[in-house]
Amino acid sequence: GIQVEQSPPDLILQEGANSTLRCNFSDSVNNLQWFHQNPWGQLINLFYIPSGTKQNGRLSATTVATERYSLLYISSSQTTDSGVYFCAVISGGSNYKLTFGKGTLLTVNP
Amino acid sequence: NAGVTQTPKFQVLKTGQSMTLQCAQDMNHEYMSWYRQDPGMGLRLIHYSVGAGITDQGEVPNGYNVSRSTTEDFPLRLLSAAPSQTSVYFCASSHPSGHYGYTFGSGTRLTVV
Repeated sequence: GIQVEQSPPDLILQEGANSTLRCNFSDSVNNLQWFHQNPWGQLINLFYIPSGTKQNGRLSATTVATERYSLLYISSSQTTDSGVYFCAVISGGSNYKLTFGKGTLLTVNP
Repeated sequence: NAGVTQTPKFQVLKTGQSMTLQCAQDMNHEYMSWYRQDPGMGLRLIHYSVGAGITDQGEVPNGYNVSRSTTEDFPLRLLSAAPSQTSVYFCASSHPSGHYGYTFGSGTRLTVV
């Protein structure tokens, strides 16, 4: 099956700093999503982005499907951005199975 | 619009007990799935459904049972709980096209002692 690798595995920032999280995948994808899992365990859908670029406030994401990677940018980070960021993809002929990367644990210190 | 609702949020079971994790969505999504999340393993697919009356196994189906009698509901049954089933369980739903992506419930934290 498709492999999803995220980097870095851990990231510690000071409030106000910018960061880039990367997601590499081993095959073509029909769907790519970025999620934020907050410290309470909730999975929040940040972006549905199988290709192209999207922005939502301080967050933006770019997927280059032909080169099999996606980037999540966080600007002017806040302590509330802390948590785990997951990249998840759907590959193949059906849309039912999301394959998750192992995530990036982000800690933003005040 | 509640999205995906999971109940209960927390549960402690004794080994051998059975229980049902409930999942309901109000977005008229055809696709629904159950995932479990374990430390170091990420989220793994247990069972999924592409519509009422249709279910199939995911990566880690052993010890779990599902049914889909309506579009809205997709319960997950643990037939005889084992400590290895201690995990956080997430239900998710999506439109069949995959557009807009999957929406996840808030999770059920299950401990089997």
